[in-house]
Amino acid sequence: GIQVEQSPPDLILQEGANSTLRCNFSDSVNNLQWFHQNPWGQLINLFYIPSGTKQNGRLSATTVATERYSLLYISSSQTTDSGVYFCAVGGGADGLTFGKGTHLIIQP
Amino acid sequence: EAGVVQSPRYKIIEKKQPVAFWCNPISGHNTLYWYRQNLGQGPELLIRYENEEAVDDSQLPKDRFSAERLKGVDSTLKIQPAELGDSAVYLCASVPGGGYEQYFGPGTRLTVT
Repeated sequence: GIQVEQSPPDLILQEGANSTLRCNFSDSVNNLQWFHQNPWGQLINLFYIPSGTKQNGRLSATTVATERYSLLYISSSQTTDSGVYFCAVGGGADGLTFGKGTHLIIQP
Repeated sequence: EAGVVQSPRYKIIEKKQPVAFWCNPISGHNTLYWYRQNLGQGPELLIRYENEEAVDDSQLPKDRFSAERLKGVDSTLKIQPAELGDSAVYLCASVPGGGYEQYFGPGTRLTVT
């Protein structure tokens, strides 16, 4: 099956810093989503981005499908950004294959 | 619009006991998924439904797990009997017809003692 690798596995930053999270995948996909899992375990949709670039406030994402990677950018980090960020990929309505996540800690 | 609803949110049972989880997807969402998330890992697919039909259950441990989606709306996932290794968070997700973006419920955290 498809492989999804996320990096870095852990990231500790000061409030106000910027960060880039990376997701590499091993095969072509037509579904790629970024999620934020908050401390209560809820998976929050950040982006549905099988290709191209999207922005939502301080967050933006870029997927280069031909090179099989996606990047999530977080600018001006806040403590509420802490949590685990997951990249997940799939083929259409197939189940998603998740990476192991990036554990982000934003210190005040 | 209400999100995906799951219950219970937490469940503690002794091994060999049965347990069931319930999911109500977002209204109008035809595709429903059950995932299992072990500690420190990403979720893994257990089963996918298109309306009331299970179209992908290849990852469902069929000796002890079963699922149903009567009338193509609510779904129930059952484990009987539960084992210690079943301790995990069980997540339900749904997708609107014609779309691919999945929306997740809050999950049920199962602890088997």
